[in-house]
Amino acid sequence: DIQMTQSPSSLSASVGDRVTITCQASQGISNYLNWYQQKPGKAPKLLIYGTSNLETGVPSRFSGSGSGTDFTFTISSLQPEDIATYYCQHYDNLPRFTFGPGTKVDIK
Amino acid sequence: QVQLVQSGAEVKKPGSSVKVSCKASGGSFSSYTISWVRQAPGQGPEWMGRIIPVLGRPNYAQKFQGRVTITADKSTSTAYMELSSLRSEDTAVYYCARGRGIGTSYDSGSLSFWGQGTLVTVSS
Repeated sequence: DIQMTQSPSSLSASVGDRVTITCQASQGISNYLNWYQQKPGKAPKLLIYGTSNLETGVPSRFSGSGSGTDFTFTISSLQPEDIATYYCQHYDNLPRFTFGPGTKVDIK
Repeated sequence: QVQLVQSGAEVKKPGSSVKVSCKASGGSFSSYTISWVRQAPGQGPEWMGRIIPVLGRPNYAQKFQGRVTITADKSTSTAYMELSSLRSEDTAVYYCARGRGIGTSYDSGSLSFWGQGTLVTVSS
């Protein structure tokens, strides 16, 4: 089975900072890699699908990139409302859905 | 706008079963996948399985094979997830979520719309 790892597991940054989270797959995967934001007590929210596509209504400060085994999620200018845990998720058409362990983002 | 509304919290004894419902409104119900994802306290999400209502044939994660049953009622736009032989480790919030794309397209692997979650507590 494919395993997904994320780094860092948590980070603290200032408002306006550029924030980058990485997601690594245990083997090469298709570009079907998604990113979700989850706030406490709420369901996950899809932000990025297919590695780099911004979901409808999601602010453009969020972006994604990558290929093969290494993928990146970026917040270009951190805002107070971005405090959340972020998960990557891979999908294949067996189907299998694999979530990463999450990265908790805080304001410094 | 698509909305998924789930049934309320449950408290169950070990060894029993739980059935959670997920009623969809807005948009097409039958053509899109409904997945079930659970999240134990302090843990990441874990996919359990999914169904495409128009086909009626579910797919399950290997971990839950034999213990989970996912069904869909097209007449009421409601999906169900039943988990049996409950143990304490099944204590979690259970979510239903709709795929972004139709049918088994790769877009169906992106979960665009989520229910509010149902807390299932397994305790003696």
